[in-house]
Amino acid sequence: NAGVTQTPKFQVLKTGQSMTLQCAQDMNHNSMYWYRQDPGMGLRLIYYSASEGTTDKGEVPNGYNVSRLNKREFSLRLESAAPSQTSVYFCASSELEGWEQYFGPGTRLTVT
Amino acid sequence: DQQVKQNSPSLSVQEGRISILNCDYTNSMFDYFLWYKKYPAEGPTFLISISSIKDKNEDGRFTVFLNKSAKHLSLHIVPSQPGDSAVYFCAASEDSSYKLIFGSGTRLLVRP
Repeated sequence: NAGVTQTPKFQVLKTGQSMTLQCAQDMNHNSMYWYRQDPGMGLRLIYYSASEGTTDKGEVPNGYNVSRLNKREFSLRLESAAPSQTSVYFCASSELEGWEQYFGPGTRLTVT
Repeated sequence: DQQVKQNSPSLSVQEGRISILNCDYTNSMFDYFLWYKKYPAEGPTFLISISSIKDKNEDGRFTVFLNKSAKHLSLHIVPSQPGDSAVYFCAASEDSSYKLIFGSGTRLLVRP
């Protein structure tokens, strides 16, 4: 039982490049989330998926897209990376909306 | 405009003593509060939560207190142990929704 897994762990991109961050959970959770953490700012919600087939914007969605591929997987895509997207990205899941969320280990992304 | 504030970036406590971490919020519609703990290079892990219908919730060495009139919550750890050294985030939501608003975190150091 791995919980929430994220790939890759580290990534360096040049401005304008695209990439997809992958997230998978094996807890049969309905809801999944993407956050970013910047120094001194805590975690901020980018997008969430309340259940398979649905996605919605969080607090800071600009510059990102998401796909809920199936119940297990929720990916985050940066179409044209910008230095302002340098951050640590965390994926999380929960059984239902509003219940405690389980986080993956994070992806550290640097955009130069 | 931070809705959830952790005004102490760091706290140092002797092993065996009490650690008190504080959190203030501005949104009176918040009705569900959580504390997460984060070790370096790992994702946050859920620690304890409290609903607005309560003013106290205990789980072993951890107790969370909620003062709705002051819009203030605190996490007490008694006794503190070196393994408690981590960053602690408080988070809040409205109607127990998916949208968790996180504070910026307090780094706790428990000295042996």
